[in-house]
Amino acid sequence: AQTVTQSQPEMSVQEAETVTLSCTYDTSENNYYLFWYKQPPSRQMILVIRQEAYKQQNATENRFSVNFQKAAKSFSLKISDSQLGDTAMYFCAFMNYNNNDMRFGAGTRLTVKP
Amino acid sequence: DADVTQTPRNRITKTGKRIMLECSQTKGHDRMYWYRQDPGLGLRLIYYSFDVKDINKGEISDGYSVSRQAQAKFSLSLESAIPNQTALYFCATSDPDPRRGTDTQYFGPGTRLTVL
Repeated sequence: AQTVTQSQPEMSVQEAETVTLSCTYDTSENNYYLFWYKQPPSRQMILVIRQEAYKQQNATENRFSVNFQKAAKSFSLKISDSQLGDTAMYFCAFMNYNNNDMRFGAGTRLTVKP
Repeated sequence: DADVTQTPRNRITKTGKRIMLECSQTKGHDRMYWYRQDPGLGLRLIYYSFDVKDINKGEISDGYSVSRQAQAKFSLSLESAIPNQTALYFCATSDPDPRRGTDTQYFGPGTRLTVL
């Protein structure tokens, strides 16, 4: 079974600074997707960014970008120019292409300080 | 208007009671999912459905059942609730895009269930 590990339970960053959240996963599959979801205090799960495993180019969405290292099974999220509204729990997730079985990491609580 | 809605948003019940959580979506997606979230464990898949006639067990299906009444509706039932089913429950939908090779899940707002 696939597992997703987020080794940083909590992190903090100063407003306008850059922060990187770590994620590693374990799988024997070759075709899969990776996601970062944000969960603010409202508890809504919001998609931040996604990466298809067959794509070598790292995904970017405005201030959010990933460093996808397929061989190392690593999928880190970089948030640039951090804003107070980025304060939330961030979950890394892996989804098997063949059966949509999605596995989540335990989450990293990010606090952006003014 | 929200694309994925869940009712109720909060529920407190007693051990042994039957509980149904409902999910509706206006996104037109065929695939729907139920997850539970516990502190420190992230989200775990309970059941998923790829269409009205297709129901599949997820990682933690014991103690739960589901019903896909229509493309837009997917209900989760706890036949006899127990305290360790206290959790935050999320419904999600997805629609694979073969052109882009993606299948992203979109989540409802969650239902906080407390079993006393």
